Formats: sequence, C-alpha cells, structure tokens
Amino acid sequence: AQRVTQPEKLLSVFKGAPVELKCNYSYSGSPELFWYVQYSRQRLQLLLRHISRESIKGFTADLNKGETSFHLKKPFAQEEDSAMYYCALAPSGGGNKLTFGTGTQLKVEL
Amino acid sequence: DTGVSQDPRHKITKRGQNVTFRCDPISEHNRLYWYRQTLGQGPEFLTYFQNEAQLEKSRLLSDRFSAERPKGSFSTLEIQRTEQGDSAMYLCASSSGQGTQPQHFGDGTRLSIL
Repeated sequence: AQRVTQPEKLLSVFKGAPVELKCNYSYSGSPELFWYVQYSRQRLQLLLRHISRESIKGFTADLNKGETSFHLKKPFAQEEDSAMYYCALAPSGGGNKLTFGTGTQLKVEL
Repeated sequence: DTGVSQDPRHKITKRGQNVTFRCDPISEHNRLYWYRQTLGQGPEFLTYFQNEAQLEKSRLLSDRFSAERPKGSFSTLEIQRTEQGDSAMYLCASSSGQGTQPQHFGDGTRLSIL
C-alpha cells in the first residue's frame, strides 16, 4: 500500500528565511510525486511535479529514492507563500490515483 | 474555460436523506476523479472515470456511495441514506491524456449532516 507522510502540521518561518516542507513516502514501485498548494479561499492547485525538475515560484523539490523523500524547499520565504501544502503520490503505470499526505500549513511571518 | 466546476458549493441535509453532487470537468479532459477530504486530512481518493468508463470504484466508502459519468462529460456522486460521518468536503478533479497528468481540482462541495 502507498502512503505519504508530512510530519509537520504547521511550519512558521520569518520572511526571507529558508523553507523546507518535509514529505516521505512509502511505495514499492517507482512513484510520481507532486506538491499541491491551497492558498486561502482558493482551490487546490498543482505547484510542481518531480518529473518536471523545474522551479515554480522559487520552490524546488528533489526526489530522493534512497530516503524515500520529496521535500519542498525555497531559499527565501515570501509572505505570499503562506498556504497549505500537500505532498501527493501517484503509482507508476498510470491510473493517476493520488494519495495525499495530511498537509503542512506554512505561515510566513513578517 | 473556468476550470472544474462543482455544484452545489454547500449542502446541508438531515441524516438519512440522499444527496447528489455534480462535477463539470475541464471540457477537453477525459479523466475525472472524486476525492473526499475531512478536517485535518488530505484528500482521499474515491473513484475515477476515463471518458464514461468507471475504472476504479473499490475505494468508494460503502455501497451507499455511487458515481456516474453517463456521457463522458459531467459526473455525479450520490450518497444514499447519509450518516453523520459523511460530513466532509467532496472534491472533483479532471485531467487529460494517458499516463500521469496533473489533476485540476474544483472548489468542492461541503456536505454537512445534521
């Protein structure tokens, strides 16, 4: 069975400080990993996916298969980054059924 | 295109009643997904369609839950004989193509059982 763990319910940082949102997964194959974000009063939206290997809004995430992790990082937090972040896993071979973690609320303080 | 649309946004009903939610996906998307989200949890997968075919429904929570997508466009999720534990946000998402494509979510329908 697949599982996604986000150990922190809340992460509070100061503006300009580095951010790291942790995500660990459990899956026997080669999964696809995603980060979704939900800003206040907005719908859930895709932030980035590991196969794209791109930086979105200054965020990056590297898939570490040895540690089964997909941590989300940003070197300098901005106030507009405050949101709920969900890590999600899709099984290999298509199907696209996402398994989500419980989410981390990021609060960027001035 | 306004994205994935869900109706209603909120539904309040008494225990034991039946409820039906509607989801209109992005028009060119052939895949449609239903998720349930309870307080403090991430979305939980329920079922999905490719065109009109329901490819997985084993994760539907009980036989009181059913979903349809009769013409491969909009979908409905029905809950019969609602229970207090059914109170949750019901999310719909859609995606295109084969393989694993990003899913686009709607605003959800919040169900409250009195």
